[in-house]
Amino acid sequence: QAVVTQEPSLTVSPGGTVTLTCGSSTGAVTSGQYPYWFQQKPGQAPRTLIYDTSNKHSWTPARFSGSLLGGKAALTLSGAQPEDEAEYYCLLSYSDARVFGGGTKLTVL
Amino acid sequence: QVQLQESGPGLVKPSGTLSLTCGVSGASIISINWWSWVRQPPGKGLEWIGEIYHSGSTNYNPSLKSRVTISVDKSKNQFSLKLSSVTAADAAIYYCASSGTFNIWGQGTMVTVSS
Repeated sequence: QAVVTQEPSLTVSPGGTVTLTCGSSTGAVTSGQYPYWFQQKPGQAPRTLIYDTSNKHSWTPARFSGSLLGGKAALTLSGAQPEDEAEYYCLLSYSDARVFGGGTKLTVL
Repeated sequence: QVQLQESGPGLVKPSGTLSLTCGVSGASIISINWWSWVRQPPGKGLEWIGEIYHSGSTNYNPSLKSRVTISVDKSKNQFSLKLSSVTAADAAIYYCASSGTFNIWGQGTMVTVSS
C-alpha cells in the first residue's frame, strides 16, 4: 500500500504564509490522484477545504489554495489567522483505494 | 441539506464484529455516487476504510480488506460497515462521508473494543 507523507508540524505567524505538502511513496503526485485537503480541529469531524487539487468548497476561506508543487500536492495558507490552527490531512486516490497522509499540526504563533 | 448520521454499538468485544450504519437524510443515497467510511483512533490520524457506489461496487483499504464489508440499502437510504475479528487496535471514532468531494461528513461515533 502506498504511503502518503506530510510534515508532522509547522508554525506560521499570524498574517504569514505557509505551505503544507503531501507526497506519495509511488512517485510524483498527479492531478489524477485528486488530492484532497482536510482541516480538523479538536473534537470535530474533518472538514474538506480542497478537492481535486485546487477546487474549493463554498465554505473554504479564500486564503487557502491548493496546487501541485515539486511533485507533491500543496496547500498554501496566505494570511494565517488564529482560527487556522488545526490538524491538516491530505488524501490521495490510487487505482482502487484512497490513502490519508499522517497529518500536519499547524500552529499559528 | 444532506446530513449523515452514524449509528451502532459503542462497545464491541475482542474478536467480535463491529457493525455501523450511516443514515442519509436530505437526499437520496443514489444522488451521490460514492460513500466512504473513515476512522480515527484516539489521538491519531485519519484512516480510509473503504467506499461503496450506490450500485454496490466497493473499494477497500488493502490493510483491512480481509475483514471489511461495506454494503448499501437503497430502500432505507443508508449504507453500512462491518469489520470482523476486531482487536483493541480497531477502537476509534468511525465517520461516514460522501466520497467524490468529501463535502459531507457524519459527526462520528466512538467504538470501544473491550470484553
